[in-house]
Amino acid sequence: GAVVSQHPSRVICKSGTSVKIECRSLDFQATTMFWYRQFPKKSLMLMATSNEGSKATYEQGVEKDKFLINHASLTLSTLTVTSAHPEDSSFYICSAGQGTRDYGYTFGSGTRLTVV
Amino acid sequence: DAKTTQPPSMDCAEGRAANLPCNHSTISGNEYVYWYRQIHSQGPQYIIHGLKNNETNEMASLIITEDRKSSTLILPHATLRDTAVYYCIVRAHLNNAGNMLTFGGGTRLMVKP
Repeated sequence: GAVVSQHPSRVICKSGTSVKIECRSLDFQATTMFWYRQFPKKSLMLMATSNEGSKATYEQGVEKDKFLINHASLTLSTLTVTSAHPEDSSFYICSAGQGTRDYGYTFGSGTRLTVV
Repeated sequence: DAKTTQPPSMDCAEGRAANLPCNHSTISGNEYVYWYRQIHSQGPQYIIHGLKNNETNEMASLIITEDRKSSTLILPHATLRDTAVYYCIVRAHLNNAGNMLTFGGGTRLMVKP
C-alpha cells in the first residue's frame, strides 16, 4: 500500500531558529501533498497545498513567508518553519494524494514541534 | 463539501461492536462518505469509504442510509487499539489528487477493558 514517510517525528528548537520537516511518498509519485497543523485536542487544519514544480497554495491566515513549502520532486515535499516562536509549537502532518487511488490520501506519522 | 456532525465522544467495551454515527444531511449526489481515524500522536489512517451501498473491509463496515443523510461506521469487535478519534468526511470522489480533505471534530472513541 501507499506509504508516506515524515521526518523528523519530534523536534525541539529554540525560538528564532528555523526547522525543516520532510514528507516523502515511498512507493508512489505524489503530484500533490497537503500540510496540516493540529493543536492539542483539536482537529487537523489544512495549512497549504503543495504542488510539484509550482508554488504552494496557502489557506487563509497562514503566512507563506513563515511556512515555506517546497515540492521539488514527485516524492518529496518540505515544510520549513522559519523564525519559529513558541506559538508555532504544534503537531504538523503531511498527506499525499495519488491520482489513480480512489480510497483517499495517505498521511505521514506527523512531526511534533516544540519551540522553546 | 457537505458538513458532517458526529458525537464528540463515545465509549465501547472491549470485544463489543462499536457503532459510530455520522450525520451528513446536505450530502450531494456525487459525494462519498469517507472514514479516517487518528490514534494519539499519529497521522490519520484511512478506514473505509462508500457512496450509497454498504461497504465492508478488513477493518470495518460502513452502513449508509437509503437517503444518504447519515451513516454508521461499525467496528465489529473493538479492541483497546481501536481507541482513537474517528473522522467522518464527505466529499467528491478523490480521483483528483488535487482535492484536500477537510476534517471536522470527529468522535473520540474510548475502548475500555
